[in-house]
Amino acid sequence: DAKTTQPPSMDCAEGRAANLPCNHSTISGNEYVYWYRQIHSQGPQYIIHGLKNNETNEMASLIITEDRKSSTLILPHATLRDTAVYYCIVRRKGSEKLVFGKGTKLTVNP
Amino acid sequence: DAGVTQSPTHLIKTRGQQVTLRCSPKSGHDTVSWYQQALGQGPQFIFQYYEEEERQRGNFPDRFSGHQFPNYSSELNVNALLLGDSALYLCASSSQGLAQTGELFFGEGSRLTVL
Repeated sequence: DAKTTQPPSMDCAEGRAANLPCNHSTISGNEYVYWYRQIHSQGPQYIIHGLKNNETNEMASLIITEDRKSSTLILPHATLRDTAVYYCIVRRKGSEKLVFGKGTKLTVNP
Repeated sequence: DAGVTQSPTHLIKTRGQQVTLRCSPKSGHDTVSWYQQALGQGPQFIFQYYEEEERQRGNFPDRFSGHQFPNYSSELNVNALLLGDSALYLCASSSQGLAQTGELFFGEGSRLTVL
C-alpha cells in the first residue's frame, strides 16, 4: 500500500473551512484515497473516499489532484466538534485492510 | 439501530495471561475486522473475518487469533500477553468488506492494560 504523508497538526478557526493536505506520491492506479477521523476516546469514523474524481458528501469534500499524488480534505465550516485526528489512507483495490499513519491533529478554535 | 458494540470496555491483565475481547457488528453487517491501536499511534490491522473464516491477516503473531460466529459476532483472543500488547483494540464491521462498500464502522474499542 502506498505511503501517505500528513502534517502532524493544524489549527482552524470555528466557522472557517479546514483544508487538510495529504501527500501520496507513490499511489498506483488501483489504489483509493480514504479519509477517517478519530475524536478523542472514540473509534475512527469514516468521512469520505475516492479514486480519481473529486467527491463530496454531507461531511466533507475530497479534492484529488489530476496526477493523484496528493489530495485535500475540506471541511467547509469547521465546528469545535470537528477537533480530531484525521487520517489519510491509501487502500489497494482488493485489500481489506486500512493502513493508518499518525494522521493530522486538527484543533478547531473558538 | 445499534452500531458496533465491543466488550469489555476496559480490562487489566498480567503478563502471560490470556484475554478474549468481543464484538457485535452493526445490524446488517457480516464482516468484522480487528485493529490494535497503541497510544499515540494509528490503528494497525490485525485480521478480518467473513463467513466465519479469516480472510486477511496483518503482521501479527499467532498469539493473536479470532473467531466469527454464525450470527456474525466475533472474538479476538490474545495468548501469552506481553507488556507491548497494551493497547486499544478496535472492532470494525462492514457488509461484505471494503471491496463492496468502501466504508468501515468502528466500535469504541476495548482498552487492554497488561501489567
